[in-house]
Amino acid sequence: EMVMTQSPATLSVSPGERAALSCRASQSVGSNLAWYQQRPGQAPRLLIYGASSRANGIPARFSGSGSGTEFTLTISSLQSEDFAVYYCLHYNIRPPGYTFGQGTKLEIK
Amino acid sequence: QVQLQESGPGLVKPSQTLSLTCTVSGGSVTSGSYSWSWIRQPAGKELEWIGLVFTSGNTNYNPSLKSRVTISLDTSKKQFSLRLTSVTAADTAVYYCARVSPFGSGSYFQYYFDSWGQGTLVAVSS
Repeated sequence: EMVMTQSPATLSVSPGERAALSCRASQSVGSNLAWYQQRPGQAPRLLIYGASSRANGIPARFSGSGSGTEFTLTISSLQSEDFAVYYCLHYNIRPPGYTFGQGTKLEIK
Repeated sequence: QVQLQESGPGLVKPSQTLSLTCTVSGGSVTSGSYSWSWIRQPAGKELEWIGLVFTSGNTNYNPSLKSRVTISLDTSKKQFSLRLTSVTAADTAVYYCARVSPFGSGSYFQYYFDSWGQGTLVAVSS
């Protein structure tokens, strides 16, 4: 069973600073990983797919890196609208299936 | 731009069946590029993938829920549906429907949720 572990659970950062969020897979997932942002009361929004490709309309301050079991979502120069919960998501090819991480809450310091 | 909207009862009694429908507008449900999925989120907790249906009608489910879940597609109504049997309080959650789209290029694609409904809260309580 695949387990996706995100750290830290909560990250406190000041606006304008940089944030790095971590996601670790219990076994290698290659680059089959995405990142989502969820603001309070809203559905999640796709930010990054393929571990490092930005989805349409996502600002360049969001970047993803990593492969295998270790992944990072970096947000440079945090804006007020970036404070939210972030989830990593593993896509399993065969059979098709998905596993979310437990989320990292990014809060204003 | 495709839009998805969940509908169904907000309250279900324990041991009964939860039934939700997702209506798709502004796009086709029959394009082979897409599949259609359900995801849920208990209050204050992480997201959990429930399952998906392909335009062929084939399905894949989360192994932890597989024995209780059925997802089906009604192309004539542009809807897909979720049935979850024998519910307990642990099934109380916001339920989202979502479109699964291909991302990538060349011969290799990955498939992720790119359009979501607003979510509907379903409580399991007597």
